Parts: sequence; structure tokens; C-alpha cells
Amino acid sequence: ILNVEQSPQSLHVQEGDSTNFTCSFPSSNFYALHWYRWETAKSPEALFVMTLNGDEKKKGRISATLNTKEGYSYLYIKGSQPEDSATYLCAHDNNNDMRFGAGTRLTVKP
Amino acid sequence: GAVVSQHPSRVICKSGTSVKIECRSLDFQATTMFWYRQFPKQSLMLMATSNEGSKATYEQGVEKDKFLINHASLTLSTLTVTSAHPEDSSFYICSARGRRALYGYTFGSGTRLTVV
Repeated sequence: ILNVEQSPQSLHVQEGDSTNFTCSFPSSNFYALHWYRWETAKSPEALFVMTLNGDEKKKGRISATLNTKEGYSYLYIKGSQPEDSATYLCAHDNNNDMRFGAGTRLTVKP
Repeated sequence: GAVVSQHPSRVICKSGTSVKIECRSLDFQATTMFWYRQFPKQSLMLMATSNEGSKATYEQGVEKDKFLINHASLTLSTLTVTSAHPEDSSFYICSARGRRALYGYTFGSGTRLTVV
């Protein structure tokens, strides 16, 4: 994998549903994997920085896993709420710069 | 926490004019500034990386004479789009990394540039 790929591109879920999306990234030159939450007209907000293979991080209802050997990370949201609606970005950090995926746009319907 | 202030948030300019976008780190020293551009439904694409006091390093395909980056101090970096054309209309956003931030990058809020 040469680029950072995110899927799906967009997702619509009902309030209360749990959901997850995928980030695929180059396993070479890996330093860290970042997840950001980005609401319109605001700065992207850092959710997680993950560095170790097998790492799993949690922040409230949101959690993420990391597999550096195969180059993927999953972001999970449990019991989605309307306020979770945003674009979720992942980025591959090679310690020189970050390369982003195109994001997953999540819409949570009340 | 770390904050990066980016201005302007929106700008409309005429073809042929130049536009300057500023990013200021308010409570930390930004040793490295990254400038990204995003076209609709596409990724944030890295344009250039600048270290304080050094010339910026541009990504392949990004014209350094068109997109002038200045990072003269640890708290201010600017991107000037020179002789703007309609195809330069895009969303531009900066991201700063501080000296102590091993993994932390802080983003500005972005600038929507429209060239008419």
C-alpha cells in the first residue's frame, strides 16, 4: 500500500448504533498512526496517536486498534450519538511528515 | 492545550492577485509547519514542510515560486499564493509541530480560498 486509504467514504447510522471504519497505510517508514475528528469550520481534533503494533486505545465511546505489520487501523464508535457526526481522518506519520487518508464522513441520525 | 490560529478563514480574490495566509502558534513554539491543500472529496495533500529559519521543502508537483512559504519565527508561518488562478481555489490548512511534541501536531482551522 503506497497511500493512506480510508473506507467507507461516508457512513449514515442511527443514533445508538455502533460503527467502525478502516484506515490502511504503508507499513514501511512507520512512526505513528494518527486519528483525527474534523467538524466543519473547526480545526481537526486529535483523537489518538498510536505507535505500537497491537496497540488499542480508548476515549469514552471511541476506540482504535493498530496493526503495523499489515498496515491497518480500525476506529470504533459504540452507541453513536448525533454529536459524533464529523469526518474522521487517519494519517500515517513517518516522523518527518503526515500523510492523510480522504476521511470517513459519519452522519448519525437522531 | 496547543492552539494554532489561522487567518483568514475565507478569502475571495481576483485572478492575478496574491493572497497571504497566516498561521500562528499561540502557546507553543512551532519548530515545523506543514501546509496542506484539500480539493473537494479528496485527502488533505501535503504541499510543503518548513522548519523555522530554513527554506521550505516542497512536495513533488507543488510550485515553490507560486506558493511562497515563510517560517521566519517559531510562532508564525505564512503561505502566499502568488498570481492566483481559479484552479488555485481550494481549502488550505496548516499543521504545527512543536519542539517537545514527539507525536503531536496541531492544526489551524483552515482557509477557504476562492479565486474569481
